[in-house]
Amino acid sequence: GQNIDQPTEMTATEGAIVQINCTYQTSGFNGLFWYQQHAGEAPTFLSYNVLDGLEEKGRFSSFLSRSKGYSYLLLKELQMKDSASYLCAVSPSGTYKYIFGTGTRLKVLA
Amino acid sequence: DADVTQTPRNRITKTGKRIMLECSQTKGHDRMYWYRQDPGLGLRLIYYSFDVKDINKGEISDGYSVSRQAQAKFSLSLESAIPNQTALYFCATSVQGSYEQYFGPGTRLTVT
Repeated sequence: GQNIDQPTEMTATEGAIVQINCTYQTSGFNGLFWYQQHAGEAPTFLSYNVLDGLEEKGRFSSFLSRSKGYSYLLLKELQMKDSASYLCAVSPSGTYKYIFGTGTRLKVLA
Repeated sequence: DADVTQTPRNRITKTGKRIMLECSQTKGHDRMYWYRQDPGLGLRLIYYSFDVKDINKGEISDGYSVSRQAQAKFSLSLESAIPNQTALYFCATSVQGSYEQYFGPGTRLTVT
């Protein structure tokens, strides 16, 4: 079967670092994606990992281990505007489709 | 102006009614997708189209149909709406060769 797991909710403090984990089981693998979604708004693309390792983009980094079926999104220097849901998605091999996890709702507290 | 637009943004309809949700894009992308989002279930793919003549079912196509009228337009229809189709519906686009998808603002549909 195909499955993506991520925590439902996390809370962190402004200025801190938070790591959001995602584990997946899919039929093959074309890449792993992270999207940010503010309440009531459209998801927006954050990152794409297809090879093992860390991809850094400003305050956000994403890590992938294909052998472990594991990824994380690292958010540094948290700001209040980072309060949002973070969606992990995987594209199975042979497709350009996504399978989405249920999302992690992050609350950043002052 | 937004690159991916959806109309209507909000809609309340009654059980048994036919309803159409529309999606238009000015990004020039060839691929378009329809998703629904439900609390606790995440985004699920309903239908997708890789060009005007290519329509494919997603995970949850039962009760829905689509029409790709042009490269820039992709419509989702509920032939006979039922309450469990109450959800937030998103259209998305992508370009051939890229996995990144661009989402529209969403349509909140309530079926009473």
